[in-house]
Amino acid sequence: SQTIHQWPATLVQPVGSPLSLECTVEGTSNPNLYWYRQAAGRGLQLLFYSVGIGQISSEVPQNLSASRPQDRQFILSSKKLLLSDSGFYLCAWSSGGPADTQYFGPGTRLTVL
Amino acid sequence: GESVGLHLPTLSVQEGDNSIINCAYSNSASDYFIWYKQESGKGPQFIIDIRSNMDKRQGQRVTVLLNKTVKHLSLQIAATQPGDSAVYFCAENMNNRLAFGKGNQVVVIP
Repeated sequence: SQTIHQWPATLVQPVGSPLSLECTVEGTSNPNLYWYRQAAGRGLQLLFYSVGIGQISSEVPQNLSASRPQDRQFILSSKKLLLSDSGFYLCAWSSGGPADTQYFGPGTRLTVL
Repeated sequence: GESVGLHLPTLSVQEGDNSIINCAYSNSASDYFIWYKQESGKGPQFIIDIRSNMDKRQGQRVTVLLNKTVKHLSLQIAATQPGDSAVYFCAENMNNRLAFGKGNQVVVIP
């Protein structure tokens, strides 16, 4: 069966510091991968998605970037964090396109101080 | 995360009763819908899905109903248990993406 991992689970970072969140998927090949941010009381906001190695689509212009160095690895990064980057970050995968069923990881709670 | 339930509509249900959670979707052209469950501090978990060529689909203790005429989706949970306490939200496919609702908090009273 497929499993999706995210780490770290929680992170507290100062404003202006870099960020690297990692997501890996097991049990499937060539998945579509997604990064979402979830703010309190709000719906999921799609940040990036990837259909393959090195292929990244950005949904919302912002302070973040994503990379996919391996088939089942997806990384969310920032060079300088802002206070507004705080939130709950979710990685997801699907076997189909972005409108297909997506399965989520456990999430990373990021607090920027 | 743990604060995902803030300011969300809340449904309080007695343990053992049935729960009905509603979702109004926006795009009449959407042909695929999903219900997710999100417990505090965890990622969303897939519960059940339905395509627009159906108006009802059943899973284990859950039933999803789709009314395309009024663009309404509901999730029914039978014999609600304490472990069903969570935020439930729907998703529809729209513009080749999944669009997610904000969710409803379900609180099960023992």
